[in-house]
Amino acid sequence: DQQVKQNSPSLSVQEGRISILNCDYTNSMFDYFLWYKKYPAEGPTFLISISSIKDKNEDGRFTVFLNKSAKHLSLHIVPSQPGDSAVYFCAASVGGSNYQLIWGAGTKLIIKP
Amino acid sequence: ETGVTQTPRHLVMGMTNKKSLKCEQHLGHNAMYWYKQSAKKPLELMFVYNFKEQTENNSVPSRFSPECPNSSHLFLHLHTLQPEDSALYLCASSQGTGGRQPQHFGDGTRLSIL
Repeated sequence: DQQVKQNSPSLSVQEGRISILNCDYTNSMFDYFLWYKKYPAEGPTFLISISSIKDKNEDGRFTVFLNKSAKHLSLHIVPSQPGDSAVYFCAASVGGSNYQLIWGAGTKLIIKP
Repeated sequence: ETGVTQTPRHLVMGMTNKKSLKCEQHLGHNAMYWYKQSAKKPLELMFVYNFKEQTENNSVPSRFSPECPNSSHLFLHLHTLQPEDSALYLCASSQGTGGRQPQHFGDGTRLSIL
């Protein structure tokens, strides 16, 4: 049973508009969440993270929102650029010494010119 | 060279072959990881090493054998693999093994088992 779910395998967005990528989780013990971005033929690269004590974290064009009651987080990209076309992975962990990240299956984002 | 480097990038092998995947990190990190990524599935953690000591083996079959001679190098020795082992194998490193430490990934080895 997947503890971290990205229900949209793909998403297409017009350049300049907002991209919203969603992630749901089932384990209420998760207290730290990360987003990674992956281009073809490259490894994932860390994008942004959020602790469960916050409900929003922003870094430039990227903002992650966390709704603990709904066990849902989302990544907003504004404005979307062609270079944002990639697969985005959501990952979660339980804090403390636990190092294991639980990953979603990814959402492929396509930015249309 | 910087970051995490994996070799080879592509590997095709028969089920009776023995081969090794290599990973090297130039980030001064203490922890290294092997992941398996199958198409359209989440990344699966295979092994974790912290300061050269294996701290996690996620029920990985014995036909996969990791080796970590020092904090900068990690190997995955492969023998008598099965077709379902065809996947992208990713190496990662991080400064410490806390779940809050972002992991830095190599570009992976695409493995195909004939």
